[in-house]
Order: sequence, then C-alpha cells, then structure tokens
Amino acid sequence: SYELTQPPSVSVSPGQTARITCSGDALPNQYAYWYQQKSGQAPILVIYKDSERPSGIPERFSGSSSGTIVTLTISGVQAEDEADYFCQSADSSGSPVFGGGTKLTVL
Amino acid sequence: QVQLVESGGGVVQPGRSLRISCAASRFSFSKYAMHWVRQAPGRGLEWVAVISYDGSNKYYADSVKGRFTISRDNSKNTLYLEMNSLRPEDTAVYHCARDPVTTRVLAWYFDLWGRGTLVTVSS
Repeated sequence: SYELTQPPSVSVSPGQTARITCSGDALPNQYAYWYQQKSGQAPILVIYKDSERPSGIPERFSGSSSGTIVTLTISGVQAEDEADYFCQSADSSGSPVFGGGTKLTVL
Repeated sequence: QVQLVESGGGVVQPGRSLRISCAASRFSFSKYAMHWVRQAPGRGLEWVAVISYDGSNKYYADSVKGRFTISRDNSKNTLYLEMNSLRPEDTAVYHCARDPVTTRVLAWYFDLWGRGTLVTVSS
C-alpha cells in the first residue's frame, strides 16, 4: 500500500523556522495537503494543493513541493504552533492517504 | 460558528454493531460531500468513507468495505456511519470531515473537521 513518510518530531525555538517534510513516490503527480491538530481538537487545514493557504491561516505557514518531497514551512514559529502536523495525498486509486504525523515542539 | 459535532461512540464487543452520527451547523450541508476519517490510538489518520452531496455515490476504504455503511439525512443536516462486524482494529476516534467543493467531482481533501467520537471495540 502507498505510504507517506514524515519525521516523528521536529523541535524549534520561538521565532525560528520549522520545516516538516513528507515524502512519497506519487507526490510529483498528486497534490499534497497539510493539517494541524492540537491535542484533543479537530484537525485544521493549513495548506492545500501543495502551497495554497486557506483564508484565516497565518502567512507564516507555507508549503512547497520538489519531486517526491513536499515541505510545510512555518516561519517565525510561535508557541501556539505547537501541534501535530499531518500531510495527505492520494494513492493510485485516488483514495486519500495520510502521513504518520510530525509532532512540532516549540522549545 | 461553522462546525461538525460527532456523537454515538462507545465501547462495543467484537462482532457487534454501532452507528455514529455527525451533526453539521451553520453551513449548507446538503451542498457538500462528506467523509469519515479515523485515528487509531498511537497511529495516524485513515480515510474510511465518503458520500456525495446527495447521497447517490459512496466510496469506502478496503479495510471497511462490506462492513461499514455511510449515509446522510440532508433534512437533518446529519451524517451517519453504520459499523457492523466490528473488530478490535476498528478502535479509533472517528472524525467527520467536509469535502471543500460543491460540485459532483470530489476534491478528496478536508476543509472542516469535527473533534471526533471514540469507538472502542473490546470484549
């Protein structure tokens, strides 16, 4: 089955830049999406179609794609950004597939 | 505000059935396709099923095909998931989530999620 691979954890100090990667063989041909989930809360869409930002999402959140790797970048990380982040794309049948998630810790 | 609220989770024995619900508020529920996505303890997210805006098309993950049924009642702004022949590996928080476009073609991602309801399958 198709898999998306994320690092289990990323740590940054406030004000620094956090980069969370997601790798998958089909990513050159499929869009990627990113969700933020804080403990006990509903996930929130923060990036869609690789690099588009939904309304209401701060400009410090950005997405990029290069080959089989997509990256969520959070510039000027704030304490409130501490959360789990999941990437999502699609398998060969078009069904959604998620990465295992990355826990972002703000030191 | 715009929200989705799941309910109906609980502890159920293996092989038994359970129906969970998702109530939508403050948006035109009947215009959107809706999904169920689950999150098992210590594991990532797994897409479960989707239903078109009018209920005419339904798709399922292989892991639940033939056991789970997704449905909706647009007059009640409510989404359902009927789960039969439950297995311990179905234990998870079940989230309902909205597909962002209001056309027949699904976008296959999720712009609004609920907090989820916990289903525990255990004897």
